[in-house]
Amino acid sequence: QKEVEQNSGPLSVPEGAIASLNCTYSDRGSQSFFWYRQYSGKSPELIMSIYSNGDKEDGRFTAQLNKASQYVSLLIRDSQPSDSATYLCAVNSRTGRRALTFGSGTRLQVQP
Amino acid sequence: DTEVTQTPKHLVMGMTNKKSLKCEQHMGHRAMYWYKQKAKKPPELMFVYSYEKLSINESVPSRFSPECPNSSLLNLHLHALQPEDSALYLCASSPTGEDTQYFGPGTRLTVL
Repeated sequence: QKEVEQNSGPLSVPEGAIASLNCTYSDRGSQSFFWYRQYSGKSPELIMSIYSNGDKEDGRFTAQLNKASQYVSLLIRDSQPSDSATYLCAVNSRTGRRALTFGSGTRLQVQP
Repeated sequence: DTEVTQTPKHLVMGMTNKKSLKCEQHMGHRAMYWYKQKAKKPPELMFVYSYEKLSINESVPSRFSPECPNSSLLNLHLHALQPEDSALYLCASSPTGEDTQYFGPGTRLTVL
């Protein structure tokens, strides 16, 4: 079982729709969760971080964390073509190790 | 300001060359990281420096040699690389006591 799992996609949504990206992780001791956006040929850009169960909103982005289900998601409201990218879920899986484990990423395509 | 800079942006080298990648941050972060990313794959952790000391080496071949001369600077020395080492090399940094990592733009390395 992979430590951090994401559906590779592509996830295709029409412009203006809500895009829902999901991630599961295997280490119950994980404490920190991150979503990065990566455009083709560019480096990952931090979108959201979340540490506690529940929702965290920042503009059009909402991260949701459920530690009991070992599940973290990212919702993108009013999706724009410029949101088309690969979204990487990252988890700090080992307390004190200060290193992130990345999922393989979900490619999002927003159709104009 | 969450800027991490990397030089050069692109590097082409032969298998007998010696070259270095440079990473710099002036955010006062005390942890710095090297990642390697192949096409359509997530970043793979190579090295972690914490307070200028090497804290994690992910069994990286000795032809990659990291160096942290001071708290703002991180180098990756390359020697006798193989064509399969061609990839995007990413540097990241994080504040003391936090997991949030900020990535530089990367160096695209091609080994001929």
